[in-house]
Amino acid sequence: AQKVTQAQTEISVVEKEDVTLDCVYETRDTTYYLFWYKQPPSGELVFLIRRNSFDEQNEISGRYSWNFQKSTSSFNFTITASQVVDSAVYFCALSGLISNFGNEKLTFGTGTRLTIIP
Amino acid sequence: EAQVTQNPRYLITVTGKKLTVTCSQNMNHEYMSWYRQDPGLGLRQIYYSMNVEVTDKGDVPEGYKVSRKEKRNFPLILESPSPNQTSLYFCASSRQGYNSPLHFGNGTRLTVT
Repeated sequence: AQKVTQAQTEISVVEKEDVTLDCVYETRDTTYYLFWYKQPPSGELVFLIRRNSFDEQNEISGRYSWNFQKSTSSFNFTITASQVVDSAVYFCALSGLISNFGNEKLTFGTGTRLTIIP
Repeated sequence: EAQVTQNPRYLITVTGKKLTVTCSQNMNHEYMSWYRQDPGLGLRQIYYSMNVEVTDKGDVPEGYKVSRKEKRNFPLILESPSPNQTSLYFCASSRQGYNSPLHFGNGTRLTVT
């Protein structure tokens, strides 16, 4: 079975600091996808990024960047120069192709609550 | 506007009283799914549907039913709600199964007393 671990339950940083949210995953599939979703205090869930297992290039989008490392089974998310609007719960998720190991599903981590202190 | 619409946003009910949470998407997505979110447990899948008339159990299906008679609608039915089903529920859809980004509804906060 696949598994996603977000060991950081809660993180608080002062505004303008950089912060990294960790995501470690386990899967037996060779082809899989990794995702990050954001849940702001208003409660909705918003898609941030998808990365497939064959693309290990890091991605940058404004103040957000993602570091995918297959060697350590990690897909970490860094916010540079954090802002109060970044306060949210962030979920990492993993999906795999239907394989000989059974129907893989989209598995979410338990989330990291990020609080940016003004 | 492309969206997933869930109703109601808030629902308080009593044990055993049947209820339905509706979910509708206007993006012609094949895949739809229901999740529940509980503190410390993240998002857990209840049921999913890969297409019309095709549904399957997720990780926590007990006590829930779904149907997919039309592509756009995927209601979640609690035939006899119990207090352990008090939770925040999300409906989601995607273009093509698990590997496509999910579009979520705004959530339904259900309290069963």
